[in-house]
Amino acid sequence: AQSVAQPEDQVNVAEGNPLTVKCTYSVSGNPYLFWYVQYPNRGLQFLLKYITGDNLVKGSYGFEAEFNKSQTSFHLKKPSALVSDSALYFCAVRAYGSSNTGKLIFGQGTTLQVKP
Amino acid sequence: GAVVSQHPSRVICKSGTSVKIECRSLDFQATTMFWYRQFPKKSLMLMATSNEGSKATYEQGVEKDKFLINHASLTLSTLTVTSAHPEDSSFYICSAGDLAGEHEQFFGPGTRLTVL
Repeated sequence: AQSVAQPEDQVNVAEGNPLTVKCTYSVSGNPYLFWYVQYPNRGLQFLLKYITGDNLVKGSYGFEAEFNKSQTSFHLKKPSALVSDSALYFCAVRAYGSSNTGKLIFGQGTTLQVKP
Repeated sequence: GAVVSQHPSRVICKSGTSVKIECRSLDFQATTMFWYRQFPKKSLMLMATSNEGSKATYEQGVEKDKFLINHASLTLSTLTVTSAHPEDSSFYICSAGDLAGEHEQFFGPGTRLTVL
């Protein structure tokens, strides 16, 4: 079965400190991995994706993520957190196979709280 | 990134009535659109995949006669909640994607449905 896990419901960091939001996945075939952010009562905004190539992917708003095939992880990181980064973050995977429909499988979401 | 709009952003209706939600891709043609439902502080639940010119594919447990989906053009998909019930109150989000490449999905801003 294909799945995505975000083991932390909430991550708390102080402004200016580095942040990490964890994501692990389980899919058949090569994973296409995504991170999205959601602000209250809003849709999801795309942050970054890994399709192929360099394992370290840089995205919007200073975020980056590292694809680790051996650990089946795709953790989201930022060197210096901002209060405005406080939001709900979703990791998602899209797996290509014989029945490719482009569906995304989402993790449970992690609330990031950045305190001044 | 590409822009997806949803209308209305917020709707309140009485039990037993039907509500239509529109999802439009504003600057690209979307061969596929997806409809999600999101409960408070929870992940997105995929309801159905909508393909232009063909019937939608519903996820297990989603009643196709209750949640009618129409994807009549490459820029518009509609979700109609029929005989709305208070249990249908939720945040509904659509996304659009192009299966031709490795493209991420682009999400609409969501529609908050409240059934009284």
